[in-house]
Amino acid sequence: QVSLRESGPALVKPTQTLTLTCTFSGFSLTTSRMCVSWIRQPPGKALEWLARIDWDGDTYYSTSLRTRLSISRDTSKNQVVLTMTNMDPVDTATYYCARTKFVSGSTYSDYWGQGTLVTVSS
Amino acid sequence: QSVLTQPPSVSAAPGQKVSISCSGSSSNIGNSYVSWYQQLPGTAPKLLIYDNNERPSGIPDRFSGSKSGTSATLGITGLQTGDEADYYCGTWDSSLSAVVFGGGTKLTVL
Repeated sequence: QVSLRESGPALVKPTQTLTLTCTFSGFSLTTSRMCVSWIRQPPGKALEWLARIDWDGDTYYSTSLRTRLSISRDTSKNQVVLTMTNMDPVDTATYYCARTKFVSGSTYSDYWGQGTLVTVSS
Repeated sequence: QSVLTQPPSVSAAPGQKVSISCSGSSSNIGNSYVSWYQQLPGTAPKLLIYDNNERPSGIPDRFSGSKSGTSATLGITGLQTGDEADYYCGTWDSSLSAVVFGGGTKLTVL
């Protein structure tokens, strides 16, 4: 069955770089239409989409965070890594990775990890 | 400020029906499929509806989705207390080349 798990530091200091890893099983990121997305949710606030990497290696980023984000994959390890530079307290949030399906005009995330809370504080 | 607009909250009595709207534009809902997610307190979001009106396996037919022009609607019938959650719409925005979400709607079953 499909499962995803986020891992990374629970606490980072302002200006530091955050690196999160999504380890997944039950699907291959090289299969057509398969993607992995990162979404975050500040405490008490709405979902915010961050980035996606597709089966063909294409990447997409939130326009507001594009300059700070990088998403990559290791298909041999079934892992997707998100890095976010220059962390700020407003980046405190639960970060989710999710299996996402995409074909022209249709995108949806059908399996989500449990999320990992990242707090930015000195 | 979310790209997609949802009402902050809706409420209804057990057994009743409720609709949650999601308004966008021609660059997102107008030319892409809409998905809906349910987030129970303290848990990760769960896919409820994809491609405007399709339900994943295991989602009861009490949940339905529709789309017209640049707006979409999630309908829930036979409300149960267990349906109390936050609901989010999402879609692809072709101008942004990014996924956009609504601000979320908190459903209270009175």
